[in-house]
Parts: sequence; structure tokens; C-alpha cells
Amino acid sequence: EDKVVQSPLSLVVHEGDTVTLNCSYEVTNFRSLLWYKQEKKAPTFLFMLTSSGIEKKSGRLSSILDKKELFSILNITATQTGDSAVYLCATSGTNAGKSTFGDGTTLTVKP
Amino acid sequence: DGGITQSPKYLFRKEGQNVTLSCEQNLNHDAMYWYRQDPGQGLRLIYYSQIVNDFQKGDIAEGYSVSREKKESFPLTVTSAQKNPTAFYLCASSIDLEYNEQFFGPGTRLTVL
Repeated sequence: EDKVVQSPLSLVVHEGDTVTLNCSYEVTNFRSLLWYKQEKKAPTFLFMLTSSGIEKKSGRLSSILDKKELFSILNITATQTGDSAVYLCATSGTNAGKSTFGDGTTLTVKP
Repeated sequence: DGGITQSPKYLFRKEGQNVTLSCEQNLNHDAMYWYRQDPGQGLRLIYYSQIVNDFQKGDIAEGYSVSREKKESFPLTVTSAQKNPTAFYLCASSIDLEYNEQFFGPGTRLTVL
């Protein structure tokens, strides 16, 4: 059974801090790992990672995948209160339609 | 505007009643999905569909049913057989099953009294 574990479960920081969110996985025939941000309701897509060692960046957010050690990290630099959300990590494997989600990391950024 | 709509936003039902949640997309996506989210947890896959008139069970399909008669629509029925139906339900779509980036609707919060 595929498994995704995120850590920490929750994190409280102050504006301007840098945070690192972790996602480890066990997936049969790994295809991809995705990061989503969930603020109130609908998760929104952040990154899709398929290759090891290639950093994906979008503004203050970046992510990288290590397929040997089976984990990914999501970095957020110079955090803002608008970054407060639940960050979800998901993987897909043998069956392309079946993504496995972690329980998420709840990030709270205080002014 | 392209996107996914779900209705209703909030739904209350008495125990023992079946209830159908609506999901419509105008993104021209082939694949659609239903997830359940409980407090403090990630998303768990209920059903997914690759094309019209075809759908597959996810990890927690018991007590749920779906149909895919049109490309744009993927309604979910929560039956009385679902033992703990109170949850937040999210519908999503993607270009196809191979392209994993999913676009999510705003969700329906179902409360069974």
C-alpha cells in the first residue's frame, strides 16, 4: 500500500521566517509527487516533481525531490501571513489515477 | 471562466437517507475524481473516472456510488450504507489520468444528523 508522511503536522512562524516542509513516501512504481496549498476549501496546485535533484521554483516557494531517499521538501522564504494554509503532498504510482495524499502540514504565519 | 463547480456548499441530511453531490467542470478534462477529507487529515480517494461511462473504485468506495454519463459531470451519491458520511467532499479533474495535476472544486460539507 502506498504511503505518504508529512512533517511537521503543524508549524507556527513569524512573517519573514523561512520554513521547510517535509514529505516522505513509499510508492510502488513512482510516477510523480505533487504539492498543493489548501487555504479554506479547494487545494490549489503548486508543483509537480518527477526527477530527482531538479529544483522547481515559483516566487518565494521552491521544491525538490530525492528519489533515492524517497522524500521531497517544500521551502517558503520570507513568509507572509497569506502563506498560512495547509500544505498537502501527494504521490502517484502504478495506477496513474490513484493519488495518495499525506495528512498535510498546517502552517500559520503570524504578523 | 473555466473551472469546477460543486453544489451545494453545505448539505444536511438525516441518517438513512441517500444524498447526491453535484460536480461539474468546463475544463474539457477527461479525468474526474471524488475525495473525502476528514478534520486534520489528507484527501482519500473515493472514485475516479477516466472517460465517460467508465469509473473505478478508489481506496474508500464502500457506501458510495457514482455515474459519468457526460464528460462534464461526475455526481457522487452517498448511500445509507456509508457508516460515517459526515465529511468534506472534494471533486477534482485533470486533463487525463496520466497528467497528475488536478484542479479542485470548492467542496461540499455534508453533515448527517
